[in-house]
Amino acid sequence: SYVLTQPPSVSVAPGKTARITCGGNNIGIKSVHWYQQKPGQAPVLVMYFDSDRPSGIPERFSGSTSGNTATLTVSGVEAGDEADYYCQVWDSSGVHRGVFGGGTRLTVL
Amino acid sequence: EVQLVESGGGLVQPGRSLRLSCTASGFTFDDYAMHWVRQGPGKGLEWVSGISWESGSLSYADAVKGRFTISRDNAKNSLYLQMNSLTVEDMALYYCARQSIKYAYGDDAFDIWGQGTLVTVSS
Repeated sequence: SYVLTQPPSVSVAPGKTARITCGGNNIGIKSVHWYQQKPGQAPVLVMYFDSDRPSGIPERFSGSTSGNTATLTVSGVEAGDEADYYCQVWDSSGVHRGVFGGGTRLTVL
Repeated sequence: EVQLVESGGGLVQPGRSLRLSCTASGFTFDDYAMHWVRQGPGKGLEWVSGISWESGSLSYADAVKGRFTISRDNAKNSLYLQMNSLTVEDMALYYCARQSIKYAYGDDAFDIWGQGTLVTVSS
């Protein structure tokens, strides 16, 4: 089965840039989606199809994929960005099955 | 307002069954594929199962295949998850989530999530 690997944690000072990676075999040929989850809340979609932002998500959030790595970039990080972030793809070898990365805790110093 | 509301969670003994429900409002439910995603205590998100808009495609995670059954009733704007032979590994907050593109199954994102219903498995 397909595996997505994320770093457990990323820390960044306010106003700086955070990059959260998601590794997977040839992930560049898949569509990658990203979710933000704050404590006690349901996940929220923050990036879809690699680099598209849903309405209401700040332009500070951007996404990219290349080779075996997808990256969610948060520019000008704010305290309110502190959350867990999950990448997600579909493993469609046979039947469609969703796959999530293990999640990355973004800490704003 | 577009909304998903889960129900049916609770405390259940290992080996017993439970049926979760998810009621949708604010959108045309039968246009969209729906999924269940769970989150164990202190753990990450885990996709559990999905069903296409017309119930023609179903899929399950290996961890639940053969024990869980997903279904939907478009007339009632409802999604269900029948969970049998529950184990402590199934203890989690169960979310229902909508796929973002009409009539699609797989490939796109989960754009709408409920608040979840908690399943506790303990003797």
